Amino acid sequence: SAVISQKPSRDICQRGTSLTIQCQVDSQVTMMFWYRQQPGQSLTLIATANQGSEATYESGFVIDKFPISRPNLTFSTLTVSNMSPEDSSIYLCSVVGGWRYNEQFFGPGTRLTVL
Amino acid sequence: AQKVTQAQTEISVVEKEDVTLDCVYETRDTTYYLFWYKQPPSGELVFLIRRNSFDEQNEISGRYSWNFQKSTSSFNFTITASQVVDSAVYFCALSNSGYALNFGKGTSLLVTP
Repeated sequence: SAVISQKPSRDICQRGTSLTIQCQVDSQVTMMFWYRQQPGQSLTLIATANQGSEATYESGFVIDKFPISRPNLTFSTLTVSNMSPEDSSIYLCSVVGGWRYNEQFFGPGTRLTVL
Repeated sequence: AQKVTQAQTEISVVEKEDVTLDCVYETRDTTYYLFWYKQPPSGELVFLIRRNSFDEQNEISGRYSWNFQKSTSSFNFTITASQVVDSAVYFCALSNSGYALNFGKGTSLLVTP
């Protein structure tokens, strides 16, 4: 399986600031996604990170708020912009690999608290 | 639109009991994929299984088994002889692409000694 790391693992931020979360995979993957898990809730897909092009956002999520980059097949970033307390969540990246399409793996998550 | 319903919010069992977690889904697609994930208290998401809509064979993996029934739009998960380490939140998810996942709200399972 893929080894996925996320940085930072957790952070506490002030309202109005921005935080960039990194997702690094130890091998090239076909697809990368970003999810949000609000406290005590299920996971919601934010966007599909497309390599070399703009991300594809789900309903309710916009690029200005959650800009995403994916410069290559092993790395992606998600920025949470102009944060408010409602953005306090766990943010997870997930990958689908070129080696086994039947499995989708998740990173350990970034726990964000906005004060 | 796709929807996944996990009606059981919390389940508590005593060790060695069998437990079934229910998952009912809605989709208009003829091709779709169903998943189960485990989220232990440590927070990471652990992939358990993926099943496509054309494969209704039940699957068994050790103490875990899955029952996929298209007639009732259900994909239930059974843990046999539960153990304390099975305590976690279990998510059922649906996708029409096999990749972007639509999650249910999860079932919190507590296994006590």
